[in-house]
Amino acid sequence: GAVVSQHPSWVICKSGTSVKIECRSLDFQATTMFWYRQFPKQSLMLMATSNEGSKATYEQGVEKDKFLINHASLTLSTLTVTSAHPEDSSFYICSARDLGELGYNEQFFGPGTRLTVL
Amino acid sequence: AQSVTQLDSQVPVFEEAPVELRCNYSSSVSVYLFWYVQYPNQGLQLLLKYLSGSTLVKGINGFEAEFNKSQTSFHLRKPSVHISDTAEYFCAVSYTGGGNKLTFGTGTQLKVEL
Repeated sequence: GAVVSQHPSWVICKSGTSVKIECRSLDFQATTMFWYRQFPKQSLMLMATSNEGSKATYEQGVEKDKFLINHASLTLSTLTVTSAHPEDSSFYICSARDLGELGYNEQFFGPGTRLTVL
Repeated sequence: AQSVTQLDSQVPVFEEAPVELRCNYSSSVSVYLFWYVQYPNQGLQLLLKYLSGSTLVKGINGFEAEFNKSQTSFHLRKPSVHISDTAEYFCAVSYTGGGNKLTFGTGTQLKVEL
């Protein structure tokens, strides 16, 4: 099946620094990737939809200047958390979309990145 | 707007017993429905999905779910659970023409005990 990787799997950083998280589709081309955020024992909340070669579409309430998304190729999207603060600590999960059965573009999820901001 | 409700935040069950995890959705348009499983500190793995056709959907690890349009439900079932089924389970909905965005329920923690 389709495989999506994320790097790093976990990161600890100091408040005020920026952190970049990579999401790669390993065996398929993903025209669209999604970024989610998950707080402990809570559900996934969609942050933004990333389309290759164009600007990301952010969900309401998500600061686009704080969470910079770049989708430069069909297999790579990056999320940069700029000037991170402790409240940005969370589990970030990406997914990549592939053409599936019946025309539905199934999402395949990465393993997630645990960000801890001190 | 669409939404997903998982009424049970936790479901304890003994090993080899049957289990049902409930999921209800609301949407004014046709939907696709999904169940995902998440193990600690991991991403999501697709258990099964309903896109169209037969309302009874079989997935991996012995799970199945039934789409009930009149009750707007998509409950997940397994006739006999194993310790390894202990995990968080998420129901999700995507509506046709919605760019494949997924809306997730709040999750149900399945805890299988000996």
